[in-house]
Amino acid sequence: NAGVTQTPKFQVLKTGQSMTLQCAQDMNHEYMSWYRQDPGMGLRLIHYSVGAGITDQGEVPNGYNVSRSTTEDFPLRLLSAAPSQTSVYFCASRHRTLSGNTIYFGEGSWLTVV
Amino acid sequence: AQTVTQSQPEMSVQEAETVTLSCTYDTSESDYYLFWYKQPPSRQMILVIRQEAYKQQNATENRFSVNFQKAAKSFSLKISDSQLGDAAMYFCAYRRGIQGAQKLVFGQGTRLTINP
Repeated sequence: NAGVTQTPKFQVLKTGQSMTLQCAQDMNHEYMSWYRQDPGMGLRLIHYSVGAGITDQGEVPNGYNVSRSTTEDFPLRLLSAAPSQTSVYFCASRHRTLSGNTIYFGEGSWLTVV
Repeated sequence: AQTVTQSQPEMSVQEAETVTLSCTYDTSESDYYLFWYKQPPSRQMILVIRQEAYKQQNATENRFSVNFQKAAKSFSLKISDSQLGDAAMYFCAYRRGIQGAQKLVFGQGTRLTINP
């Protein structure tokens, strides 16, 4: 099925470990974003990209890196995992034009840092 | 900064009845979009309905409709003929209308329970 694919779906990390959450979309969307959702809260923007080679920080970027070498992929890297990064992570994409105001979300990645 | 507020942490409704979820927002922009997302226990975010601020007509999608009051900065969601499958967390969200605007601002969410 077309859409936004996130891997892994579940991950447990030890404090200080690094890892990458993968995100891929096959809709040729220019815009991609990463959000985190903490218990009882809405989503908060971590990083986003408006096209290949272009990334920028969102609301809560500390402790995360991103890159956008292709239109399809937008990986999120945790540099040195901390318990405060335990959360559910969502990748999202949408088309560049104003008519593309429907944002497509992946199914989420559950990350636990112990 | 834009903010979105959902003042009802939890709501419940009898199956087949109608329920309205409230959302207010604060912005100085004139061009923006508003959304309602449904998040079932699977945690996937599913778009329910969207509203462009420049449109006066309220958006509808089957059993879902909104009451968009731009002057009051209010954007409520009405679910008619509630079904058991409607049980979920519902999030109201805002995005600026300019191209390149990436930031979705979410409310805190409302947990909707459907009683059989």
